[in-house]
Amino acid sequence: AQSVSQHNHHVILSEAASLELGCNYSYGGTVNLFWYVQYPGQHLQLLLKYFSGDPLVKGIKGFEAEFIKSKFSFNLRKPSVQWSDTAEYFCAVRGYSTLTFGKGTMLLVSP
Amino acid sequence: GAVVSQHPSRVICKSGTSVKIECRSLDFQATTMFWYRQFPKQSLMLMATSNEGSKATYEQGVEKDKFLINHASLTLSTLTVTSAHPEDSSFYICSASSGGASHEQFFGPGTRLTVL
Repeated sequence: AQSVSQHNHHVILSEAASLELGCNYSYGGTVNLFWYVQYPGQHLQLLLKYFSGDPLVKGIKGFEAEFIKSKFSFNLRKPSVQWSDTAEYFCAVRGYSTLTFGKGTMLLVSP
Repeated sequence: GAVVSQHPSRVICKSGTSVKIECRSLDFQATTMFWYRQFPKQSLMLMATSNEGSKATYEQGVEKDKFLINHASLTLSTLTVTSAHPEDSSFYICSASSGGASHEQFFGPGTRLTVL
């Protein structure tokens, strides 16, 4: 069975600080990896995804993530966060067919 | 991106009643729809996957007679919580995909169910 672990439940940053959210997964085969974001009061939106190719994936709003196969990791990064990045972030993995989500990380960016 | 709507956004019902939640893909045909349940401070848990015109596939531990799923058209899936109990109170989220489980899923805004 596949599983996803997100390292932090809550992260608090000041504007312009750099962000890295950890995500590790367990699955024995080929995986597709995703980061979703849920802004307050809104539905889940796809930030970025990795299927194959370049392990450094760039997404919307300046986010990027790096797939490190040897570490089973897919950490999300942004060099300089903004107040508008306040949201909950979910890492997800798809092995055979279904998406499995991590528990989410709530990011609060203070102005 | 594609838009998925859910109705209602919130529902409060008495224990023992049934509640129907609708999930619609507004601008694309959803061959596959997914229903998730999210508990407070927990991740989304997949309940079932449904393909248009066929029976839903339920995840282990999800009672198919309690959570009835109908995917009668390419734009509509419904989840009916039958004989609801307080422990069924949760946030229910649907998602839809136009190309099967391997394609991108678009998520609805969720439905908050409270059973008194």
